[in-house]
Amino acid sequence: AQTVTQSQPEMSVQEAETVTLSCTYDTSESDYYLFWYKQPPSRQMILVIRQEAYKQQNATENRFSVNFQKAAKSFSLKISDSQLGDAAMYFCAYRRETSGSRLTFGEGTQLTVNP
Amino acid sequence: DTGVSQDPRHKITKRGQNVTFRCDPISEHNRLYWYRQTLGQGPEFLTYFQNEAQLEKSRLLSDRFSAERPKGSFSTLEIQRTEQGDSAMYLCASSLEAGAYGYTFGSGTRLTVV
Repeated sequence: AQTVTQSQPEMSVQEAETVTLSCTYDTSESDYYLFWYKQPPSRQMILVIRQEAYKQQNATENRFSVNFQKAAKSFSLKISDSQLGDAAMYFCAYRRETSGSRLTFGEGTQLTVNP
Repeated sequence: DTGVSQDPRHKITKRGQNVTFRCDPISEHNRLYWYRQTLGQGPEFLTYFQNEAQLEKSRLLSDRFSAERPKGSFSTLEIQRTEQGDSAMYLCASSLEAGAYGYTFGSGTRLTVV
């Protein structure tokens, strides 16, 4: 079974600074997808960024980028120029390549942004 | 279409009562998922539908839980004889059939069993 581990229950960053959230996963599959979701206090999960395992290039979405290390099964999220609105719970998630398969989530990292 | 809608947002019920939640997915999404999230934890998969067919159920979905998706549109999740351990946020999500798409989540239904 696939597992996703986020070893940082809480992280904090100063506004305008950069922070990196860690995620590792375990799978025997070679093709899969990885995601970072953000869950602000309003509770709605929002997709931040996704990565296809077959792509070597790291995904980037504006201030958000990932460091995908397939051999190490590591998928970290870097947030640059942190903003107060980035404060939220962040979840790393894994999905097999099979169409319709479930997302498996990590335990989450609570990010605080200090003004 | 503004996204995935869930109703109600909050539900307080007495132990032993039955409750039903509704989810309206994005109209062009044929996949619909139910997850449960307890405080401070990541969501846990419960079940998913492709159109009206329920294709997978988690072992977390005990016989007190039932989900339906008639006509492949909205879905309902019913919990019978609620227990205090059922208190959680119940999240619904939908997705397109294939590809590297993540899900679009609804805002969830917060269930409190007293």
